[in-house]
Amino acid sequence: QVQLQESGPGLVTPSETLSLTCTISGDSISITNWWSWVRQAPGKGLEWIGEVYHNGNTNYSPSLKSRVTISADTSRNQFSLRLTSVTAADTAVYYCARGDAEFDSWGPGTLVIVSS
Amino acid sequence: QLALTQSPSASASLGASVNVTCTLSSGHSTYAIAWHQQQPEKGPRFLMKLKSDGTYTKGGGIPDRFSGSSSGAERYLTISRLQSEDEADYYCQTWGAGLQGVFGGGTKVTVL
Repeated sequence: QVQLQESGPGLVTPSETLSLTCTISGDSISITNWWSWVRQAPGKGLEWIGEVYHNGNTNYSPSLKSRVTISADTSRNQFSLRLTSVTAADTAVYYCARGDAEFDSWGPGTLVIVSS
Repeated sequence: QLALTQSPSASASLGASVNVTCTLSSGHSTYAIAWHQQQPEKGPRFLMKLKSDGTYTKGGGIPDRFSGSSSGAERYLTISRLQSEDEADYYCQTWGAGLQGVFGGGTKVTVL
């Protein structure tokens, strides 16, 4: 059974870069599937950020594309999110998820607050 | 543009049934969707993948009380024999045209 776990700083200063990592267990990032980041602002719905394949191919949400980089580390069975020039609007719970189409596994999420 | 529309809320009594509806945007009525449950203060949980022909595949451990159906551009989630732990937000999700995660706005189900 696959398990996903997000990790990274819970507080980021405005204008700085948000960096998170998702560690995969029970599955291999190298075998199949696309791997995504999804976020949820307080009291709001789910917003897809982007996805990565093990070979490095990516797709990003058009609304965030200019600030987002998602990468895969096959040696550590992890994938990562970088979001630059953050503002208070980027405060959210960030989830990692597995899926070529439907997201069939989710991490528990990690809260990131953007504040000085 | 690919999009999903959900009613903000639904409610039913304990032990009764409730239907949650997700509507695909014009021109996308053949798309499959997924249903996800988000209980209070928890992350989303995959419930099922639902195709346009009404067939569905549930995630591991999802009770038989959860079922899906389709009609045209509408996709339905039915929860039978409602229990208190079913009180949650329910999101539909679809994919296509390079967009993996297209989400509906979510429906809050209240158990009366």
